[in-house]
Formats: sequence, structure tokens, C-alpha cells
Amino acid sequence: DAGVTQSPTHLIKTRGQQVTLRCSPKSGHDTVSWYQQALGQGPQFIFQYYEEEERQRGNFPDRFSGHQFPNYSSELNVNALLLGDSALYLCASSSATGVNYGYTFGSGTRLTVV
Amino acid sequence: AQSVTQLGSHVSVSEGALVLLRCNYSSSVPPYLFWYVQYPNQGLQLLLKYTSAATLVKGINGFEAEFKKSETSFHLTKPSAHMSDAAEYFCAVSELDDKIIFGKGTRLHILP
Repeated sequence: DAGVTQSPTHLIKTRGQQVTLRCSPKSGHDTVSWYQQALGQGPQFIFQYYEEEERQRGNFPDRFSGHQFPNYSSELNVNALLLGDSALYLCASSSATGVNYGYTFGSGTRLTVV
Repeated sequence: AQSVTQLGSHVSVSEGALVLLRCNYSSSVPPYLFWYVQYPNQGLQLLLKYTSAATLVKGINGFEAEFKKSETSFHLTKPSAHMSDAAEYFCAVSELDDKIIFGKGTRLHILP
């Protein structure tokens, strides 16, 4: 049973460009959350998607947007990239209430902005 | 607002010695509390979680944590460290909104 799959694993972009990261949730999970983990820091909550809608959002600018598809997979889009957007982006999937039933994290996408 | 403070960004212990990683939380309601481990170039793996049942929570790989409401603490312990325990450990808290707030992490070093 595959867990959470994220692609690509590594990515290098130039300032001002746009990037799309992808996440396939664990089988049976319907909720996807995205986190940004800067070097030496803990993961920071970006947003969560359920039933193809953004259910809640952390303290991130509108440059960060997302989407969830009918098959529960999700994309994270970042526009107008800044050097400070360089980080490990983690996707976590869950079923119903993640706090009760547990989150499964992917291995992440390492984004480097130059 | 909920928050987590992990004391010590780096902790070193000898192989076979007690592991103690400290975590204090702030929450306006009874929280859910978690410990996650992250190995290099990997995602987060859940070690254990507290969800208002028993205050002493046992997790994987011999780790356990005790919820102490009076001290707002949720420290992680393991009686005997193994070389394979070297990793980054994150304490996290969640309230009713299903959003997890992580601490900054503690890197555990195991000395031979």
C-alpha cells in the first residue's frame, strides 16, 4: 500500500518564476495538508484541502495557492518565487479528522530558488 | 493561540544512555500532542500521540511521553539510546481545528 507520494523530489527555480508541486494521498485518505519546512525549522502549515475546497489556511501570502482533484490528489502552486521560498515542502494526507485518525507525511519536495 | 517550545536545538547522549527531549506547549483548550521523527531527506514519521486518554503514551521504537497538564509539558523519553535514534525530533500540538503546529525541532546526536 503506497503512502503519500510527492513529485518532484527536487526542483530548482529562478526568482520570479512559478512552480507547481504535486501530492498523491495515501489510499483511503481524502484530506491533504501542505507544510513548508525551511532549513533548521519546524514545518509551517500552509493550507488544507478537503472535498476539493480549501478548508483552512495558515499565515502564507496569496502567492501560495492550491487545488484538490476529484481523486483527492493535490497541487501546491507558488507564484512570483522569492529566495525565501526555498524550503522542503511536505504533503500530509488524512482521513476524516487527521488529528484523531493520524496524518501520513510524504518525503517532500526540496525547492531551491536561485 | 497554540504553540510549542522545544528546549535545546541539539541534544547529545551516549549510546545506551537515557534520552530526554523536552517540549512545552501552550493551548487554550485540552490539546492533542504529538512527537514526530524526521530522518535525513525524509518526511515525518509519527512516534506517538496524546489524545486525552492515558497520560503516559507509548510509541514506536521504545519511545514514550508523559502529558503533564500542570507543567504544560510533553517530554519524550527512551530508556536506552541506540545509534539508529539519531534524527530530528519535532513536538507538535493541535486543537480542535485539525491544524498541527510544530516546534522548531531538536536534533538528537548519539555518541558511541
